[in-house]
Amino acid sequence: GENVGLHLPTLSVQEGDNSIINCAYSNSASDYFIWYKQESGKGPQFIIDIRSNMDKRQGQRVTVLLNKTVKHLSLQIAATQPGDSAVYFCAENIIGTASKLTFGTGTRLQVTL
Amino acid sequence: DADVTQTPRNRITKTGKRIMLECSQTKGHDRMYWYRQDPGLGLRLIYYSFDVKDINKGEISDGYSVSRQAQAKFSLSLESAIPNQTALYFCATSDLSGTSTDTQYFGPGTRLTVL
Repeated sequence: GENVGLHLPTLSVQEGDNSIINCAYSNSASDYFIWYKQESGKGPQFIIDIRSNMDKRQGQRVTVLLNKTVKHLSLQIAATQPGDSAVYFCAENIIGTASKLTFGTGTRLQVTL
Repeated sequence: DADVTQTPRNRITKTGKRIMLECSQTKGHDRMYWYRQDPGLGLRLIYYSFDVKDINKGEISDGYSVSRQAQAKFSLSLESAIPNQTALYFCATSDLSGTSTDTQYFGPGTRLTVL
């Protein structure tokens, strides 16, 4: 089956540094991607999305890059803060599947002081 | 964010019992979803509904049923709970109108334990 996965299960970053969280996907017929943040005991929270016809999208302190050639998606967090500690996962919508999302398993971001 | 609420937040039950998890939203979205989350696995879709009269099975619908009572309410039932249904359950909503992607917004989750 199709797979949306993450390279690193745990990422430790020092406060103030930039974080890069990666996601690989295997389905070329992607319509859009979404990054979610999930804090302990909470539901996934929308961070940013990107359509498949885009290479880059920026939000507040976050940037998502999409490389369709190698089927790779990354989330960059600038000036990482303790409140950024959470599990991050990407989700992919495949063309023709209505609004159904395929989720990766997640990367845990640990921010050290 | 209280736009999507789930009740109960925690539930412990016994094998064979019928359980209902409820989801309500004030976002005015037409589309609602139920997922389960297990350690080491991504969110998996159980059922989804694009409007009150539309119900669709997801990838793991066996052992579950749903009811879309109104635009704002979508409940998930386990007719006869079994231990491997122990998981975190999330409700989500989305609304494609006016957006470029059909972003889903999640509730806080229900932790269900089946003994």
